[in-house]
Amino acid sequence: AQSVTQPDIHITVSEGASLELRCNYSYGATPYLFWYVQSPGQGLQLLLKYFSGDTLVQGIKGFEAEFKRSQSSFNLRKPSVHWSDAAEYFCAVSPGDFGNEKLTFGTGTRLTIIP
Amino acid sequence: GAVVSQHPSRVICKSGTSVKIECRSLDFQATTMFWYRQFPKKSLMLMATSNEGSKATYEQGVEKDKFLINHASLTLSTLTVTSAHPEDSSFYICSASLLLAGGGEQFFGPGTRLTVL
Repeated sequence: AQSVTQPDIHITVSEGASLELRCNYSYGATPYLFWYVQSPGQGLQLLLKYFSGDTLVQGIKGFEAEFKRSQSSFNLRKPSVHWSDAAEYFCAVSPGDFGNEKLTFGTGTRLTIIP
Repeated sequence: GAVVSQHPSRVICKSGTSVKIECRSLDFQATTMFWYRQFPKKSLMLMATSNEGSKATYEQGVEKDKFLINHASLTLSTLTVTSAHPEDSSFYICSASLLLAGGGEQFFGPGTRLTVL
């Protein structure tokens, strides 16, 4: 069975500083990988996704993530955070089978931005 | 494009009553929709996969008689929490699957906050 680990429950970063959120997955093959953001009381918004090809993926709001097969990781990065980035971030995986989109989520990382 | 709505956004009900939550894909057809439950400060737990025109597939530990799912059309799935109890209070989120080049993607609704008194 697939699983996702987000080792950091809560991260605090100063506005303007760089950010890296960690995500490790366990799956027999290369899964589809996603990062979602959730503001309080809201649904999820897709930041970026990796299906295949270039392992460095660019997303919305200035985020990027790098797929590293050897480390089974898909860490999310942003060079300079903004106060509006404060939210909960979820990494997710789904099987790499076309048409099977069942998602498994990590436990999430709560991001706090300090002035 | 690819917008998913949920109704209601918030509902408060008495213990023992049933509550229906609607999930609609507004600008695309979704043969597959998913229902998740999220506890405070926790991750999303998949409850069931809803397939248009067939029975839903429930995850282990989810009571199918408690959480009734109907996917009657390509744009609408409903989740009915029957005989709700306070422990059913939670944030329920649906998503609709859209097949894109290279693989599927889920688009999420804004969620429904259920409070059972």
